Amino acid sequence: NAGVTQTPKFRVLKTGQSMTLLCAQDMNHEYMYWYRQDPGMGLRLIHYSVGEGTTAKGEVPDGYNVSRLKKQNFLLGLESAAPSQTSVYFCASSYSILRQGDYGYTFGSGTRLTVV
Amino acid sequence: SQQGEEDPQALSIQEGENATMNCSYKTSINNLQWYRQNSGRGLVHLILIRSNEREKHSGRLRVTLDTSKKSSSLLITASRAADTASYFCATDLGSSNDYKLSFGAGTTVTVRA
Repeated sequence: NAGVTQTPKFRVLKTGQSMTLLCAQDMNHEYMYWYRQDPGMGLRLIHYSVGEGTTAKGEVPDGYNVSRLKKQNFLLGLESAAPSQTSVYFCASSYSILRQGDYGYTFGSGTRLTVV
Repeated sequence: SQQGEEDPQALSIQEGENATMNCSYKTSINNLQWYRQNSGRGLVHLILIRSNEREKHSGRLRVTLDTSKKSSSLLITASRAADTASYFCATDLGSSNDYKLSFGAGTTVTVRA
């Protein structure tokens, strides 16, 4: 099993450009998440999804949009990139709360994005 | 704002020693989890402790939870060089129909050979 796969792994954008980060999971998890990680600040939740076709805002949603058209994929879009969006982006997935047992999140390996 | 705060921010120990880090949080939780992140990698789930549990073990890991003090500790016994990583606590603030984790800023552990 691949687990959670993020593409691309690295990207450099110019201010104002747009891009989409792709997250794919093969564990049949219901829930998916996008976090950003900045030095000294831990991980902050951008958007999340509790099922196909549904998304919700997290702690820092401004400047980002998401879509979950298929259960296994969760896309994060930056419409007009800004230097403040320079960060490492992590996708994660999990079972729903009713099934989680002792499971936590499964994370991807991250996308390092630099906006110049 | 982040729910959890780890203490200390950084920890350096000799191989074979124990490493202890703490996490304090602000509001009631469903469960608390600990994750490890090796440099340049994603986070890996280590252990989950529910709000009605006080202690849990997994291999060389021991986690305690004190809901009255809103704090948790992670103990790594007999540390190895491979334990060098950042460790994050995460609290589950989800309601009945979602499951969201709030992460602290982490404790960076360096195990010296």
